[in-house]
Amino acid sequence: DQQVKQNSPSLSVQEGRISILNCDYTNSMFDYFLWYKKYPAEGPTFLISISSIKDKNEDGRFTVFLNKSAKHLSLHIVPSQPGDSAVYFCAATGSTLGRLYFGRGTQLTVWP
Amino acid sequence: DTGVSQDPRHKITKRGQNVTFRCDPISEHNRLYWYRQTLGQGPEFLTYFQNEAQLEKSRLLSDRFSAERPKGSFSTLEIQRTEQGDSAMYLCASGRGVGGETQYFGPGTRLLVL
Repeated sequence: DQQVKQNSPSLSVQEGRISILNCDYTNSMFDYFLWYKKYPAEGPTFLISISSIKDKNEDGRFTVFLNKSAKHLSLHIVPSQPGDSAVYFCAATGSTLGRLYFGRGTQLTVWP
Repeated sequence: DTGVSQDPRHKITKRGQNVTFRCDPISEHNRLYWYRQTLGQGPEFLTYFQNEAQLEKSRLLSDRFSAERPKGSFSTLEIQRTEQGDSAMYLCASGRGVGGETQYFGPGTRLLVL
């Protein structure tokens, strides 16, 4: 039972444009959401997070939006750069949960 | 600032052999997590520790798998009688020990069972 879903396995964006990666979740106990970036043969690298008490969190070129009523979050990257090309994982957890629940990832390719 | 480290980075073994992986968390972190990732999937939770106590184990963790964190610092994950289906990337992460927290991952150990 996939409690965190990333329905787009891949996304291709031109350098300088906006990349929007989407994620949906089903478990109402989730109150903390994270995005990780992963290169092949490496562990996931933490990118940005958001608590359920907020609907937006920004860090440089990265912004995460949370829509609790829709159980949906998105990661915006502006402007996109070729070095952003990687697999992006959405993850969720809760204050009473220890583990992270991950989506299957979206492969982002940023082309010049 | 030393991150999470894992050893070895790669392991090739024959079916039926036992393997052991080590994880050293970020020094001030109380929680240590193990995940497994296969191709095309996100990381899947295996187990986690709060200090030396193992608080949760996934159904994925069959009786061939055992994890320890004897002094609340580093952890080991042992797989006995390896099977080809055990081939995966084994990831370790650590966190401060607060519910709903950011977990920081190590580089992973890639296991190939022949």
